[in-house]
Amino acid sequence: QVQLVQSGAEVKKPGASVKVSCKASGYTFTSYDINWVRQATGQGLEWMGWMNPNSGNTGYAQKFQGRVTMTRNTSISTAYMELSSLRSEDTAVYYCARRGGSNWFDPWGQGTLVTVSS
Amino acid sequence: SSELTQDPAVSVALGQTVRITCQGDSLRSYYASWYQQKPGQAPVLVIYGKNNRPSGIPDRFSGSSSGNTASLTITGAQAEDEADYYCNSRDSSGNLVVFGGGTKLTVL
Repeated sequence: QVQLVQSGAEVKKPGASVKVSCKASGYTFTSYDINWVRQATGQGLEWMGWMNPNSGNTGYAQKFQGRVTMTRNTSISTAYMELSSLRSEDTAVYYCARRGGSNWFDPWGQGTLVTVSS
Repeated sequence: SSELTQDPAVSVALGQTVRITCQGDSLRSYYASWYQQKPGQAPVLVIYGKNNRPSGIPDRFSGSSSGNTASLTITGAQAEDEADYYCNSRDSSGNLVVFGGGTKLTVL
């Protein structure tokens, strides 16, 4: 079955960077964009950006421009999201999701909790 | 506009019908997709495109759109439908994605 499995929880200090991985299985990795969405505790979903695993092309939400980098390793069907200059407000669960069609996301990874604390 | 607006909370009696709405200018050009999220779980796609349900989603879930408003309708709400529901779509430029703020559905 189509599945996205993310890396485990991270604890980082302010100013550090975090890199979350998302391993795809059950489909051709290069055929669908991977998107990243985050959710702070008790808050809504916030879209961060997308990456085309075939070309490596990316598009980021303006809020994260300059701080986020989305990459991939096609040999192991894995996408990565790196967020730098972390601050406490970046504490959230980060999800990867496969995009089909125009804007629908299915499936989603299980989520990765990133905690930023001194 | 790059915003999608949802009512923060909606309630429905068990077995009754409820409509959850999502408003935004970009919905005049793009379909909304809908997601169900239960506490501690990742979101699950329930409606996409004009009115399509992924495999495994009950047919009591349906979607519609008119003008700048997209709607998710649950016909005969069940206790297990109590969850947060989010819409998303492209923004007006078509290049980016936006989410609504979410609607907490309570089944009474």
